[in-house]
Amino acid sequence: GAGVSQSPSNKVTEKGKDVELRCDPISGHTALYWYRQSLGQGLEFLIYFQGNSAPDKSGLPSDRFSAERTGGSVSTLTIQRTQQEDSAVYLCASSFPGYEQYFGPGTRLTVT
Amino acid sequence: QKEVEQNSGPLSVPEGAIASLNCTYSDRGSQSFFWYRQYSGKSPELIMFIYSNGDKEDGRFTAQLNKASQYVSLLIRDSQPSDSATYLCAGGNTPLVFGKGTRLSVIA
Repeated sequence: GAGVSQSPSNKVTEKGKDVELRCDPISGHTALYWYRQSLGQGLEFLIYFQGNSAPDKSGLPSDRFSAERTGGSVSTLTIQRTQQEDSAVYLCASSFPGYEQYFGPGTRLTVT
Repeated sequence: QKEVEQNSGPLSVPEGAIASLNCTYSDRGSQSFFWYRQYSGKSPELIMFIYSNGDKEDGRFTAQLNKASQYVSLLIRDSQPSDSATYLCAGGNTPLVFGKGTRLSVIA
């Protein structure tokens, strides 16, 4: 079946602009996660959604970052007033709660 | 602070040898553990998961879990150059806690 999809695959934006990154999880998966990975670094947890529960936002690095998940499916990660240090690959993953996570191909964000 | 620790490497092994990747975790309440492989420029890909103490084998891969020692390992038998990648260990509950990964290089 279809895996996790993300769009766009690449995004180049100017410093100070807002960007939106989209994630379509695997159908039926109730848990959805966002991570960030800078070049040569590990995965940095950002936010986690599970069903209709309040999201775990403990990994969001600043209030410029926000995310929502509509209808328990598609999620959008928004970064306002982008900074150069926001440049990274943003990865989305989905799962059944407590089970293995499957990752999308990621969105490479470059802030110039 | 729940942590998963891995040696960053690089771990270099000759083709055909056994590669041994290790991981320790701090949360004694962790029930499940996962190994992911990440090729350069790609997203992590699930290789194996293990929930019970002992060994779990899948083809050339064996995952080992020792909950008393809070230790997880991944053995890759008959290592191939195509196994060269970064291997991420993850554990805990939801959301998973990921280690920073061990870079494996298999030399032909």
